[in-house]
Amino acid sequence: AQKITQTQPGMFVQEKEAVTLDCTYDTSDPSYGLFWYKQPSSGEMIFLIYQGSYDQQNATEGRYSLNFQKARKSANLVISASQLGDSAMYFCARVGPNQGGKLIFGQGTELSVKP
Amino acid sequence: DVKVTQSSRYLVKRTGEKVFLECVQDMDHENMFWYRQDPGLGLRLIYFSYDVKMKEKGDIPEGYSVSREKKERFSLILESASTNQTSMYLCASSTPWGNSNQPQHFGDGTRLSIL
Repeated sequence: AQKITQTQPGMFVQEKEAVTLDCTYDTSDPSYGLFWYKQPSSGEMIFLIYQGSYDQQNATEGRYSLNFQKARKSANLVISASQLGDSAMYFCARVGPNQGGKLIFGQGTELSVKP
Repeated sequence: DVKVTQSSRYLVKRTGEKVFLECVQDMDHENMFWYRQDPGLGLRLIYFSYDVKMKEKGDIPEGYSVSREKKERFSLILESASTNQTSMYLCASSTPWGNSNQPQHFGDGTRLSIL
């Protein structure tokens, strides 16, 4: 099966510091997309950022950026200037062609921001 | 804003009952999905639908069925609820993925307990 792996079940970061959440994926498709979602304790899934496999530049959205290393099949999420409200579960997910838009999710990383 | 609405945030049912989880989206999305979320396992796809009356099995369809009679509504049915179906259920919708930023939009989730 084509998997998504998030190797950090839980992480701590000090408020205002940057943090990197790891994600590696396994695919044989040349065309695919990678998504990061945030899930606060309230349960809703919030879309953060997207990277396409053919995108020339790493994606950025405000304090979120994606460190995309295609050859290594990794798509790490970088959160700059962490805030207390960033404490949540974070999920990496992949979509590929001819799959009906299905997302394959990693197991998630629980991020805790310390004041 | 895209709105995906799940009929219940919390639901308690008894073993053997037939359980219906309803999901409605207001963005005319072709694709709709039902996921199950359990700690340490991430989100796992139960069923998805890419058109009215069309459905495809996901990774864990056993014990579940779905119905999509109208484009905006996708129902998940637990034919005979069992305690191992106690979980968080998330519904999502999207347009078909076409190598661009087209995230799935999620409902707030239903925490289902089977006693």
